[in-house]
Amino acid sequence: EDQVTQSPEALRLQEGESSSLNCSYTVSGLRGLFWYRQDPGKGPEFLFTLYSAGEEKEKERLKATLTKKESFLHITAPKPEDSATYLCAAANNFNKFYFGSGTKLNVKP
Amino acid sequence: GAGVSQSPSNKVTEKGKDVELRCDPISGHTALYWYRQSLGQGLEFLIYFQGNSAPDKSGLPSDRFSAERTGGSVSTLTIQRTQQEDSAVYLCASQAGGRVDETQYFGPGTRLLVL
Repeated sequence: EDQVTQSPEALRLQEGESSSLNCSYTVSGLRGLFWYRQDPGKGPEFLFTLYSAGEEKEKERLKATLTKKESFLHITAPKPEDSATYLCAAANNFNKFYFGSGTKLNVKP
Repeated sequence: GAGVSQSPSNKVTEKGKDVELRCDPISGHTALYWYRQSLGQGLEFLIYFQGNSAPDKSGLPSDRFSAERTGGSVSTLTIQRTQQEDSAVYLCASQAGGRVDETQYFGPGTRLLVL
């Protein structure tokens, strides 16, 4: 069964305390692994796409990495404005997206 | 330019009533998705339209759910005989050409509450 699992469900960090979010996937014919940020009451906002194992992408304090079974979103020295729910999704050959349930990140000043 | 818009933003209905949710994708985008997000959960795929191809309806949870896309633009998701378990946020997303490497742009969602 194709599925995506994210952990932890929730994460509380102090400002400046780096950490990582995990996304494990089992999707046949993986074409891309996507990370989104979702703020309360809004739709998800695209962050990164990764296509092959070993690939890494960075944007400000965020870095996404990909292996054959999982992806990590590393957050370096987070700020309160990084507080949001981070969603991971895997897309198959038919452009069908499977989303995880997200990690709710809370960064305290 | 304008992003993806959805209406209504909130909908409260009584059990057993029909509801229609509307999505206006970004102009020119050929691919359109509907997802459902229950409280504290991830996005559940419902249906995918790509150009003039037959839609992928594999995610629709029951025959009470249907969707159409007129003229390759606006889409309507219809839920007949609503049940309380249908309460959720319904999100729409569009892609320029329906390729995996293209960004999905999401609308703000319609929050549906079935009493």
